[in-house]
Amino acid sequence: QQQVKQSPQSLIVQKGGISIINCAYENTAFDYFPWYQQFPGKGPALLIAIRPDVSEKKEGRFTISFNKSAKQFSLHIMDSQPGDSATYFCAARKTSGTYKYIFGTGTRLKVLA
Amino acid sequence: KAGVTQTPRYLIKTRGQQVTLSCSPISGHRSVSWYQQTPGQGLQFLFEYFSETQRNKGNFPGRFSGRQFSNSRSEMNVSTLELGDSALYLCASTLGTSNEQYFGPGTRLTVT
Repeated sequence: QQQVKQSPQSLIVQKGGISIINCAYENTAFDYFPWYQQFPGKGPALLIAIRPDVSEKKEGRFTISFNKSAKQFSLHIMDSQPGDSATYFCAARKTSGTYKYIFGTGTRLKVLA
Repeated sequence: KAGVTQTPRYLIKTRGQQVTLSCSPISGHRSVSWYQQTPGQGLQFLFEYFSETQRNKGNFPGRFSGRQFSNSRSEMNVSTLELGDSALYLCASTLGTSNEQYFGPGTRLTVT
């Protein structure tokens, strides 16, 4: 019940294309869903996050789509650029109480020039 | 505002030794979490400290321990190192009232 399943494990996209990474969770008590971007040799950086009271959140070229009934959320990177090549992690957390973050296993994205 | 800092950045230790890693959170952040990152297991939660108290713990053996000081700086200790402890150890801080978690660059530990 504590797992967050992330897919695909790796993704290759042409420059200008749309990158889509999916995550599914089991615990309906989760109510905060962030995405992190990690470049080699660096720590993960918070990219964008969503709460279940909205179905979509957009920040620049990055969009989170959230489907509460399906217990799924996804990251869309529009107009993907070579500089977006990184590993992306989804996560989930129950914000009341002291629940820890549960991370997905990561997606290695490569954007071809 | 300075980000999360971790020292040292790289460390090589021998099996059986112990190691202490340090983390300084963003100024004003009172919560510090530690994670182990390996290629096979991804990001695994170790523990979280808030106001010098451990308030969450992951599924790691007792060889892994931590503490937080009154200035919110945190240390984690691994005793009796094993080869499998080789990993990137990440520290993350949050304000305490916010969900936004900010990671440091990590400490790369290699156990030989």
